[in-house]
Amino acid sequence: AQKITQTQPGMFVQEKEAVTLDCTYDTSDQSYGLFWYKQPSSGEMIFLIYQGSYDEQNATEGRYSLNFQKARKSANLVISASQLGDSAMYFCAMRLSGAGSYQLTFGKGTKLSVIP
Amino acid sequence: NAGVTQTPKFRILKIGQSMTLQCTQDMNHNYMYWYRQDPGMGLKLIYYSVGAGITDKGEVPNGYNVSRSTTEDFPLRLELAAPSQTSVYFCASSYLSVLTYNEQFFGPGTRLTVL
Repeated sequence: AQKITQTQPGMFVQEKEAVTLDCTYDTSDQSYGLFWYKQPSSGEMIFLIYQGSYDEQNATEGRYSLNFQKARKSANLVISASQLGDSAMYFCAMRLSGAGSYQLTFGKGTKLSVIP
Repeated sequence: NAGVTQTPKFRILKIGQSMTLQCTQDMNHNYMYWYRQDPGMGLKLIYYSVGAGITDKGEVPNGYNVSRSTTEDFPLRLELAAPSQTSVYFCASSYLSVLTYNEQFFGPGTRLTVL
């Protein structure tokens, strides 16, 4: 069965600094996708970035980038130039491409606090 | 587009009561999902549907039922509510396509308390 591990329950970062949120995953499948979602205090889940297991380049979306190390089974989220609005819970999730449900398996999340 | 909408936003139930959480999406997505999020945890899949008339169990289906009579609607039914069902419930949808990431779009959530 697949598993997502986020080892940092909480992180602090100074405004305008970069921060890395860790995510490791466990699966025996070769074809999968990795997602990061942001959950602000208002509660909604916001899609940030996606990395496919066969993508050779690390994904980037604006200030978000995904440091994908396939051999180490890690998919860390890097947020550059942190802003106060980045304070939120961040969830790493995995989807197996061959699974009929295309369901997401989530980690427990990391709470990021941006300090002015 | 309203995206994924959920009603109600909040609800308090007494033990043994039943209720239906409503979910509607207007993006013509074929896949729909129900997750629950317990405090300090990630989301866990309750049920999912790959299209109208087709549903299947996820990781934590006990105590819940679903139906999918239309593409747009995917209600979640709680029978005989228990305190263990106190949680935030998220509905999500996605469209299976080779042209997209197939990311799931989430509703705003329903916060349910069972006392």
